[in-house]
Amino acid sequence: QLQLQESGPGLLKPSETLSLTCTVSGSFVSRNTGYWGWIRQPPGKGLEWIGSIYYNGVVSYNPSLKSRVTISVDTSKNQFSLKLSAVSAADTAMYYCARQEGWAYNDVLTGYHVHLEAFDVWGQGTMVTVSS
Amino acid sequence: EIVLTQSPGTLSLSPGETATLSCRASQSISANYFAWYQQKRGQAPRLLIYDASRRAPGIPDRFSGSGSGTDFTLTISRLEPEDFAVYYCQQYASSSPLTFGGGTKVEI
Repeated sequence: QLQLQESGPGLLKPSETLSLTCTVSGSFVSRNTGYWGWIRQPPGKGLEWIGSIYYNGVVSYNPSLKSRVTISVDTSKNQFSLKLSAVSAADTAMYYCARQEGWAYNDVLTGYHVHLEAFDVWGQGTMVTVSS
Repeated sequence: EIVLTQSPGTLSLSPGETATLSCRASQSISANYFAWYQQKRGQAPRLLIYDASRRAPGIPDRFSGSGSGTDFTLTISRLEPEDFAVYYCQQYASSSPLTFGGGTKVEI
């Protein structure tokens, strides 16, 4: 049974870099096992997709966060990671990792794209608070 | 960006009743790339419906999804006590970015 577990510091100061890791068990981060994503949820608010990565390192980011986000994968450890730079109080949230199906394709007119599907397996989440 | 607007914000119902939740997209959702999630307090979201109307594995048949284009509906028949939660819609027709609705709380 596929399980995801987030880990990382729960308290940061403004301007620091948030670093979280998601450890995958019950499956492998490899070809044909899906894409691996990060989603966050501020206290009492809705869900925001941060980005998703394939085993080969191809990444899709939310444009609103792209300038501060780096998502990477380590298949040897069966993990993928999130870094968010220059955090502020607005980045205080529960951070979830999750799995989704997806595929890459080339459009004759618009070029290379990645189609991502719904998130079918979620980690329990980890709370990150940004406070001075 | 495709904006999803859920209504109502809160739905007050009793066990045994039927809940009808709506989600409207700011532009047409191709191929019905649309999902619904349930989130209980203190838990991660759980996928209920994908491709607008397909139930995820293990989801009871009292949960059903419908709709196309810009208007989608989640119907929960014969509400059980464990169904009282917050429900989110999500579109995945566009990955730039993937977006969620603001949520509908179903309360007793």
